[in-house]
Amino acid sequence: DVVMTQSPLSLPVTLGQPASISCRSSQSLMSSDGNTFLNWYRQRPGQSPRRLIYGVSYRDSGVPDRFSGSGSGTDFTLKISRVEADDVGTYYCMQGPHWPHTFGQGTKLEIK
Amino acid sequence: EVQLVESGGGLVQPGGSLRLSCAASGLTFSTSWMNWIRQAPGKGLEWVANIKPDGSGTYYVDSVKGRFTISRDNAKDSLFLQMNSLRIEDTAVYYCTKVSLGSDGDYWGQGTLVTVSS
Repeated sequence: DVVMTQSPLSLPVTLGQPASISCRSSQSLMSSDGNTFLNWYRQRPGQSPRRLIYGVSYRDSGVPDRFSGSGSGTDFTLKISRVEADDVGTYYCMQGPHWPHTFGQGTKLEIK
Repeated sequence: EVQLVESGGGLVQPGGSLRLSCAASGLTFSTSWMNWIRQAPGKGLEWVANIKPDGSGTYYVDSVKGRFTISRDNAKDSLFLQMNSLRIEDTAVYYCTKVSLGSDGDYWGQGTLVTVSS
């Protein structure tokens, strides 16, 4: 199975400061058609996960432009330009080209 | 508005069986790949099974192969997960999902808790 490794696992951030989460895959996430399938999710406490980013860098509808995704091949990053209180939760990356689809361990973002 | 509503979770003894259901609305169910994803208490997310839109193909993570069966009824916009020979390590919240890798919608239910314990 493709292993997804996130870092850090815990991310205390001051309000208004930037945050960055790394996600590395054990195999390339580029499919044979040239597309790269990497999603980012946020799970708030007591809630189901919600997708924020798909295809490495495309924001879902309603996701603030403070959130951005980047990367290629096996190295990916989720960045929040200015953290707000609403951003608290656990963030997961997920790979799509390989079965079974797998998630990273999760990065818990908290406010300092 | 898309809704995925799971039911059927509960407490079951090791070796027992349980059948989860998911009622879908607000999406074109019959053309959607559907999935079950689970989350053990305090842990991360684990993909369990996929099913093609017409039900002709199913895919399972190794840990549930031969024990779990995913199925669907497109006439009733419903997804199912039959879980047999349950183990303690199957204890988790089970989410009915339509996970998308592209620009179409990505949807998750609220989850149903399955507890396997003696």
